[in-house]
Formats: sequence, structure tokens, C-alpha cells
Amino acid sequence: RKEVEQDPGPFNVPEGATVAFNCTYSNSASQSFFWYRQDCRKEPKLLMSVYSSGNEDGRFTAQLNRASQYISLLIRDSKLSDSATYLCAVHQGQNFVFGPGTRLSVLP
Amino acid sequence: DTEVTQTPKHLVMGMTNKKSLKCEQHMGHRAMYWYKQKAKKPPELMFVYSYEKLSINESVPSRFSPECPNSSLLNLHLHALQPEDSALYLCASSLPAGVNEQFFGPGTRLTVL
Repeated sequence: RKEVEQDPGPFNVPEGATVAFNCTYSNSASQSFFWYRQDCRKEPKLLMSVYSSGNEDGRFTAQLNRASQYISLLIRDSKLSDSATYLCAVHQGQNFVFGPGTRLSVLP
Repeated sequence: DTEVTQTPKHLVMGMTNKKSLKCEQHMGHRAMYWYKQKAKKPPELMFVYSYEKLSINESVPSRFSPECPNSSLLNLHLHALQPEDSALYLCASSLPAGVNEQFFGPGTRLTVL
């Protein structure tokens, strides 16, 4: 079983749609969790950290479920500019493990 | 300043060349990282420096040699690379390694001929 798993997609959604991604992790000792977005041929950019109580930043909401060992990202009112690959990342000690990423395409 | 810079942006080298990648941050971060990313794959951790000391080496071949001259700089020395080493090499930094988010530089796109 891989350490961090994501549905690779692609998710093709119309503008204005709500879309949700899940990410599961295998190491129960994982300490902190993040969502990054990566555009083609660019570096990953931090989208948001994921806190135990859940957190929201504009159209983006992140949730953590430690019991089931998954994190989620909800994007509301999708924009064309949201098209990217979304990577979850998990801290395990000093190690930082990325999921394989989920490709999102928002269509006009 | 929330920027991590990397030079060069692109590098083409032969299998017998020696070259170096450079990374710099001025955010006061005390952990710095090298990642390798192949097309359509996630970044893979290569090395972690924490307080200028190498703390993680993810079984990387010795043809990759990291160096951390000070808390702001990180180098990756390359020697006798193979064509399969062609990839995007990303540098990142964070507050002390363990729980903090990482910030990435734009990467060096390396091609080995």
C-alpha cells in the first residue's frame, strides 16, 4: 500500500461546479497535512494547510479525518483558473510525502 | 520575502560533466530540501538539511552530492549523471523540519544527454 494515495482523475467539471478531492495516508503517526496545487511545468504552490478542526479559505475548504486517515479538499464555484494538479502532502517525522496528485480541468 | 530562488532554470549536461544546482532563501527557514520530479509524477524527496546538517538522504546515488554552506544556501553537485536523471529538480525550505509547510523554488529543468 502506498503511503499517500489520491484518485489521479482527471476530474473534468464545468465552471461554477463544486468538486471534492480525497487523499488517504497510511502512517497513523503523520503529523501535519497540506494541499498544494501545481500547474504544468511549474513548482508546487502551497494552497492551504489542513487543521484538525477543518479550515476554509475563500472557495476552498480542507478537512482532516484522523480516525479514517484521510484529508479532503472542497472547491466551490470552480473557476477556469482552478485547472491544475492538486497534490496532498503529509509530514511523517522529517519526511514529507506527496500523493500522486489529482488532475482537475474546469471547462467553460 | 517569501521566495525561494533556484539557478539555473535550465541545464543540459553530458554524462561526463560536473555541474551544480543552487538554491537560496531569505525567509529565516532552517530546513531545506531537494526533490526530484519526473513528468506526471509527484515530487520525490532526495535530501533534507536541518540546521545546516544533512538529516535525511533517501538512498540517493552518490552521483548527487548535496551541500549546505549556510542557512540560506543549498547546493546540489552533479557528476557522471545518467539520462534517466533528467527531471525537474526542486528546492524547498521550511521552518524547522517536522510539521511546517514547505515553500518551493521554481526548479531547475535538467536534461542529461
